[in-house]
Amino acid sequence: GAVVSQHPSRVICKSGTSVKIECRSLDFQATTMFWYRQFPKQSLMLMATSNEGSKATYEQGVEKDKFLINHASLTLSTLTVTSAHPEDSSFYICSAILQGQETQYFGPGTRLLVL
Amino acid sequence: ILNVEQSPQSLHVQEGDSTNFTCSFPSSNFYALHWYRWETAKSPEALFVMTLNGDEKKKGRISATLNTKEGYSYLYIKGSQPEDSATYLCAFKGNGGFKTIFGAGTRLFVKA
Repeated sequence: GAVVSQHPSRVICKSGTSVKIECRSLDFQATTMFWYRQFPKQSLMLMATSNEGSKATYEQGVEKDKFLINHASLTLSTLTVTSAHPEDSSFYICSAILQGQETQYFGPGTRLLVL
Repeated sequence: ILNVEQSPQSLHVQEGDSTNFTCSFPSSNFYALHWYRWETAKSPEALFVMTLNGDEKKKGRISATLNTKEGYSYLYIKGSQPEDSATYLCAFKGNGGFKTIFGAGTRLFVKA
């Protein structure tokens, strides 16, 4: 149980285009999902906390207009990287928690390469 | 700034060796410490969540200890197997609704 999927697993796009990444909880309802970014050999850095039906809470330094998060249902959160640039190339990974618990259930991540 | 440090960064062992690595975290405002196992091309999966000083958790050949007063946790693997090869992440959560902070992980390679 507690499976999270993430799509796509890998995406290459041209500079200036927007990319949408989906995060789905497959067998549970997730009122809270998290979006992380990871640079090589570094730790997972929290970008934002996504709550179903409300606006995401962004961490300091993360541009909310650049990284649009939508959590329209209890099983789906999306992250859209708008007008992507090469410096946005990174590994993005989402997680979800069961209500009342702290353990995070992760998706497999998305490798984004912006040319 | 809260820091979570893991050491070593990577570790190469032979099959059958026992090994351990460390997670250091802030010793104040402790709420919980998580360990995750992350195999290449898969999702990180939860190993343990530890909340009390002195906690010891065990799952098969893997165990973990927790010292909240000095701010460290050890993860032990007994009789390492090639399938134990993965990155092991620890994550600290403080009191007061703070976000969870991850360490950079220890990458374990077990050679058959």
